[in-house]
Amino acid sequence: EVQLLESGGGLVQPGGSQRLSCVASGLTFGSYAMSWVRQAPGKGLEWVSAISDSGGKIYYADSVKGRFTISRDNSKNTLYLQMNGLRADDTAIYYCVKDRMVYENWGQGTLVTVSS
Amino acid sequence: EIVMTQSPATLSVSPGERATLSCRASQSVSSNLAWYQQKPGQAPRLLIYGVSTRATGIPARFSGSGSGTEFTLTISSLQSEDFAFYYCQQYNNWPPGTFGQGTKVEMK
Repeated sequence: EVQLLESGGGLVQPGGSQRLSCVASGLTFGSYAMSWVRQAPGKGLEWVSAISDSGGKIYYADSVKGRFTISRDNSKNTLYLQMNGLRADDTAIYYCVKDRMVYENWGQGTLVTVSS
Repeated sequence: EIVMTQSPATLSVSPGERATLSCRASQSVSSNLAWYQQKPGQAPRLLIYGVSTRATGIPARFSGSGSGTEFTLTISSLQSEDFAFYYCQQYNNWPPGTFGQGTKVEMK
């Protein structure tokens, strides 16, 4: 059974930074692209970023480009999202998901709140 | 960026009835269309991909149809556990894969 466990969420001030982690189990992590999808409170779903299986190809939504950095450590079965220059509209639950385009496996999500 | 529009925003249905949810794309997405179900406090769950292929473990009462820009998710006989939010997603023009704003299926 695939399990994805996010951590690193919390309260951060506008302009601040936060790093999210996602530990994967039940799959050959290094064989799959991974993505982050977020959901603002009471709102719909928004794709944030994706990374290829090797980490050689990286993609970002325009809304986070230049501020967020996705990375992975296949030796640790872990996906990361470094978020800098956080804004109030980045407040959301951030989900770690398996694959690049269609998401069969989701983590439980970690809430990031950007507020002073 | 392709815009996905779902209708209606809220659908009131009695248990045992059929529910029909619509999703329209601002331009053709071919057959690269998925549906997700989300219950309060839970992560989304993949129901259907490729317009009509059910994901692992999804009951046969869920079916998808359509092509190009017009798509439908049908729940043939609504069960109590089906009351939830539903989102369509296109992945034809990726990135980004864009989601619709969602349809809430509530008990009538």
